[in-house]
Amino acid sequence: DAKTTQPTSMDCAEGRAANLPCNHSTISGNEYVYWYRQIHSQGPQYIIHGLKNNETNEMASLIITEDRKSSTLILPHATLRDTAVYYCIVRAYSGAGSYQLTFGKGTKLSVIP
Amino acid sequence: DVKVTQSSRYLVKRTGEKVFLECVQDMDHENMFWYRQDPGLGLRLIYFSYDVKMKEKGDIPEGYSVSREKKERFSLILESASTNQTSMYLCASRLRRTGGNTDTQYFGPGTRLTVL
Repeated sequence: DAKTTQPTSMDCAEGRAANLPCNHSTISGNEYVYWYRQIHSQGPQYIIHGLKNNETNEMASLIITEDRKSSTLILPHATLRDTAVYYCIVRAYSGAGSYQLTFGKGTKLSVIP
Repeated sequence: DVKVTQSSRYLVKRTGEKVFLECVQDMDHENMFWYRQDPGLGLRLIYFSYDVKMKEKGDIPEGYSVSREKKERFSLILESASTNQTSMYLCASRLRRTGGNTDTQYFGPGTRLTVL
């Protein structure tokens, strides 16, 4: 899986958009970008994933640059419940041997009242 | 929505006890996983199961065993609990890919196990 780089921490005011960047300059053509988050003392939660087009769901939007070397997760209206560690993961499903998710250190997002 | 549940959020056991951690998913997923998460070490895969009665070792299977008798249920067993098995245990499930190459795992809330 390609290596990802994320800022260690970020703050965001409640109600504002939170923009979380991720660099993945060694991404290959068949690798997807996934975002998960983990709220303190809970299991990781899947947020969104994409290949090259921008994606949006009820939780967030994912913007992937044209060269696919970086992406941004956008939480449009951050709430206090969005305070969590956000993980950007790049991987391809390549068959039976590809099963383990590797979580890096992620970005600790603190939403401030 | 996928729902993955784990039998306990918090568990305290004594050294040498046999411990059962249960995981149930309600989305008919074929694949299920057990991880442990420790500070500074991230998620580590203990065991996974492709389908009923199938199991494969992950990176750190020593001291653990698993059981998958029904599709929706994947159990992690600590044969003789030790203090170094104090950890957060996370179960996940995944729909087996039938086409395309995405790989979304859905996690349970976790069980924080303390072995005294």
